Amino acid sequence: GAVVSQHPSRVICKSGTSVKIECRSLDFQATTMFWYRQFPKQSLMLMATSNEGSKATYEQGVEKDKFLINHASLTLSTLTVTSAHPEDSSFYICSARPYRDRDTETQYFGPGTRLLVL
Amino acid sequence: SQQGEEDPQALSIQEGENATMNCSYKTSINNLQWYRQNSGRGLVHLILIRSNEREKHSGRLRVTLDTSKKSSSLLITASRAADTASYFCATSMIYNQGGKLIFGQGTELSVKP
Repeated sequence: GAVVSQHPSRVICKSGTSVKIECRSLDFQATTMFWYRQFPKQSLMLMATSNEGSKATYEQGVEKDKFLINHASLTLSTLTVTSAHPEDSSFYICSARPYRDRDTETQYFGPGTRLLVL
Repeated sequence: SQQGEEDPQALSIQEGENATMNCSYKTSINNLQWYRQNSGRGLVHLILIRSNEREKHSGRLRVTLDTSKKSSSLLITASRAADTASYFCATSMIYNQGGKLIFGQGTELSVKP
């Protein structure tokens, strides 16, 4: 149980285009999902916290107009990288916090999406 | 911003040896978690230790937490080549932070057969 999927797993796009990444909790409901970015050989940097039915909370330095987050249901959050540029190329990972474990704060991570902007 | 520092940044050992990784953090925490990441993959949750716990075991893993020093260690005993991966500590702050995790910089472990 507690499986999180991401789609697509890899995406290559041209500079200036927008890319949408989906994060789904497959066998549990998640009131909270988190989006991270990871550059090669570096750690995960939290970008934003996504709560179902409300606006996302962005970390300092993360442009909310560039990284649009939507958490329309208890099993799906989407991250849209708008007008992508080469410096946005990175590994994007989501995690989901099961509703039943809201007090233990367990998070389950997706397999990640590798974005390459040409 | 990240609050976790890990050392060493890289560790290379022979199969069968023990591997110890350390993590330090800056603020008060609710719990500390260790994760493993194979190259280019997502994260796998290894173990969670709460702020009121000092030591926890899971199979070949042993985690300690010293809240007075704001530090934790992960010990992998009798390492195997399959343990080769990056290991991250992540801290969860008090409840009103929404349960977000702040990750350390990670330790890249290489276990040679």
